[in-house]
Amino acid sequence: SYVLTQPPSVSVAPGQTARITCGGNNVGMKGVHWYQKKPGQAPVLVVYDDADRPSGIPDRFSGSKSGNTATLTISRVEAGDEADYYCQVWSGRTELLYVFGTGTTVTV
Amino acid sequence: DVQLVESGGGLVQPGGSLRLSCKASEFTFSDFEMSWVRQAPGKGLEWISHITFSGNADYYADSVRGRFTISRDNAKNSLYLQMNSLRAGDTAVYYCARTTLLSPATSWLDCWGQGTLVTVSS
Repeated sequence: SYVLTQPPSVSVAPGQTARITCGGNNVGMKGVHWYQKKPGQAPVLVVYDDADRPSGIPDRFSGSKSGNTATLTISRVEAGDEADYYCQVWSGRTELLYVFGTGTTVTV
Repeated sequence: DVQLVESGGGLVQPGGSLRLSCKASEFTFSDFEMSWVRQAPGKGLEWISHITFSGNADYYADSVRGRFTISRDNAKNSLYLQMNSLRAGDTAVYYCARTTLLSPATSWLDCWGQGTLVTVSS
């Protein structure tokens, strides 16, 4: 089955930059999307289609991709950014439509 | 604001059944395909089921295929998940999510409900 690998954890000081990677076969050929998940809350889409931001998401959140690795960058990190972050790709109308990454806990 | 509200979760014995509902508001429900995603305690997000605009096609993860059935009623702006033969491993918070598709290249989940907890235990 398709696997998206993320680092389990990232630790960052307030005001610094956090970078979360997401790697997998053919990631370079797929749109990558990122979600923020806080305990007890619904997931929130923070970046879609590699690098676009939904309305209401601060421009401190940005996405990029190089080869088969996508990266979510959180600039000027705030305490409120502490959460789990998941990348996701779409496998098409096959067995497993939406594949999520293993998740990364960001600690501020 | 776009809103999705799940209901129907609770405690159920192994082998039992449960039906989850998701009520949508503030958007044209029939214009969007929909999915269910779950998160087991201490685990990551897991996509489990998806349904097309009219409900004429549905998709399932291997972990639930043959036991769960997704459906929708566009007249009632509602999405459903019928869960049968429940197992302890199905214990999770279940989220409904609206999907956006850039066919055929990619799709993402742009709006999520708050989730409903399903606990399978004797």
